[in-house]
Amino acid sequence: AQKVTQAQTEISVVEKEDVTLDCVYETRDTTYYLFWYKQPPSGELVFLIRRNSFDEQNEISGRYSWNFQKSTSSFNFTITASQVVDSAVYFCALSEAVWRDDKIIFGKGTRLHILP
Amino acid sequence: DSGVTQTPKHLITATGQRVTLRCSPRSGDLSVYWYQQSLDQGLQFLIQYYNGEERAKGNILERFSAQQFPDLHSELNLSSLELGDSALYFCASSLGTTHTDTQYFGPGTRLTVL
Repeated sequence: AQKVTQAQTEISVVEKEDVTLDCVYETRDTTYYLFWYKQPPSGELVFLIRRNSFDEQNEISGRYSWNFQKSTSSFNFTITASQVVDSAVYFCALSEAVWRDDKIIFGKGTRLHILP
Repeated sequence: DSGVTQTPKHLITATGQRVTLRCSPRSGDLSVYWYQQSLDQGLQFLIQYYNGEERAKGNILERFSAQQFPDLHSELNLSSLELGDSALYFCASSLGTTHTDTQYFGPGTRLTVL
């Protein structure tokens, strides 16, 4: 069965600090996709990244980076030099291969507070 | 701006009533997904339509139904409303048929059942 665990419910850091949001997933499939979404205080969900299970390369996009490790079933998200605008709830999600009962499962989210 | 629109933004109604939420996908996207976000359950997938046909079903209650019209907009109908149905309802769209595609979310409809 699919499961996504974001163990950190809430994190507070001071602006300019680096912060890592953890995501651990469970799946029996060999083909799956992982996602991160951001939900700022305004409420909409903003897509950040999509990664398939065959691509374990880490990804960097500006101040954001993602560390995908199949050995530990983790897909962690790091914000470098955090800014107040990064304050939001961040969701990790998992979707399994298309021939299964097609669903996406979201973690409970991590609420990130960046303090000025 | 994701390009996905949802109306209304807010809806307040009473228990037992029926409401309809509307979603227009991004131009060119054929799939529409509906989600419910509540404090208790988090973000839950309800149902997906692809090019007018139901494609996948999640944790959607029997009191809820949806459809996708020929112009690809979708409506989510919630009936016999209960207090517990109060939540933020999101619609998302994607180009392809599956949840493995990137989904772009609308701003949501906040439903309050009194």
